[in-house]
Amino acid sequence: KQEVTQIPAALSVPEGENLVLNCSFTDSAIYNLQWFRQDPGKGLTSLLLIQSSQREQTSGRLNASLDKSSGRSTLYIAASQPGDSATYLCAVGRMDSSYKLIFGSGTRLLVRP
Amino acid sequence: SAVISQKPSRDICQRGTSLTIQCQVDSQVTMMFWYRQQPGQSLTLIATANQGSEATYESGFVIDKFPISRPNLTFSTLTVSNMSPEDSSIYLCSVVGINEQFFGPGTRLTVL
Repeated sequence: KQEVTQIPAALSVPEGENLVLNCSFTDSAIYNLQWFRQDPGKGLTSLLLIQSSQREQTSGRLNASLDKSSGRSTLYIAASQPGDSATYLCAVGRMDSSYKLIFGSGTRLLVRP
Repeated sequence: SAVISQKPSRDICQRGTSLTIQCQVDSQVTMMFWYRQQPGQSLTLIATANQGSEATYESGFVIDKFPISRPNLTFSTLTVSNMSPEDSSIYLCSVVGINEQFFGPGTRLTVL
């Protein structure tokens, strides 16, 4: 059974700092991995998608890496801003009889001005 | 990308009543998903809704409690039946694009 873990559960940093959010998964047979952002009381915004054959994806100040063999992904946020404050969710995609996403519990990020 | 809307955005309901949540997508999609996010928790998949067939429910979720309709390729409804305070959650509709999953804004349900 695939389990997805995110560390840390919460993180508080001063504005301008570079930071790394971690995601680990127990079964390396993944289809893809997706990082989402969720603002309080809101839905999810897709940030980056990494296919199982890829090692990383970049979008602006965000960079996500994937190491299937070790069951890890990281989300790197450069030059953090107060507007980056949100919960960041990692989700592993599996393709069994149908496609399914399995979510981690999230990292709650606060960027202090 | 897909644009997904949900109605209502939030509701406060009495115990024992039922609420139907609507999900509308701006393009035709084969698979639609319904998730629940309980307070302080991550997302849990309730069921997968394919057009023209019955929904497939995950372990711990049953059709009598969460009936789902999927009348066409752009629309689905989820009903939360005979509600209790434990059903207070955000309910999210989701679709799969080209190997990427998109989510609606969610419906925040509070059961008193």
